[in-house]
Amino acid sequence: KQEVTQIPAALSVPEGENLVLNCSFTDSAIYNLQWFRQDPGKGLTSLLLIQSSQREQTSGRLNASLDKSSGRSTLYIAASQPGDSATYLCAGLTGANSKLTFGKGITLSVRP
Amino acid sequence: DGGITQSPKYLFRKEGQNVTLSCEQNLNHDAMYWYRQDPGQGLRLIYYSQIVNDFQKGDIAEGYSVSREKKESFPLTVTSAQKNPTAFYLCASSMATSTGELFFGEGSRLTVL
Repeated sequence: KQEVTQIPAALSVPEGENLVLNCSFTDSAIYNLQWFRQDPGKGLTSLLLIQSSQREQTSGRLNASLDKSSGRSTLYIAASQPGDSATYLCAGLTGANSKLTFGKGITLSVRP
Repeated sequence: DGGITQSPKYLFRKEGQNVTLSCEQNLNHDAMYWYRQDPGQGLRLIYYSQIVNDFQKGDIAEGYSVSREKKESFPLTVTSAQKNPTAFYLCASSMATSTGELFFGEGSRLTVL
């Protein structure tokens, strides 16, 4: 059974800092890994999707990497801004029934 | 604009009542999903559907029912059999279950009075 872990649960950084959010998974037979952003009381917004054949994806100030052998994915946020404050969730797709397993998320606060 | 529309955004229910949450997508996606989100527990899959007129139970299907009569619609009914229905409900869709990127609606918050 796939388990997805995101540690720490919360993170506070000053504006302008580069930061890395971590996502660990137990089953390396992963089809893809997706990162989402969730603002309070809102739905999830897809940020980046990395297929199993890829090692990383980039969108603006965001870069996500996938290392299947070590069971890790990272989301790198460059030059953080207060508007980046939100909860970031990762989810891995695995299994014969293509089940998506979510981490519990990391709540990021970027201080002005 | 293409996207997923959930309604209502907020819903209050008395104990013993069934309620139906609407989910409509105009992305032409084959697969649709319902998740429940509770504080500290992450997202849990209730039901999913890969094609019209077919759906499968997720991890916490008890007390819920769904239908998929049209490709663009996947309503969720929270029945009186659901013991703890107060939660944030999220509908999502993807082109296919095997590789597709998942897109979410804005969610519906159900509160049982």
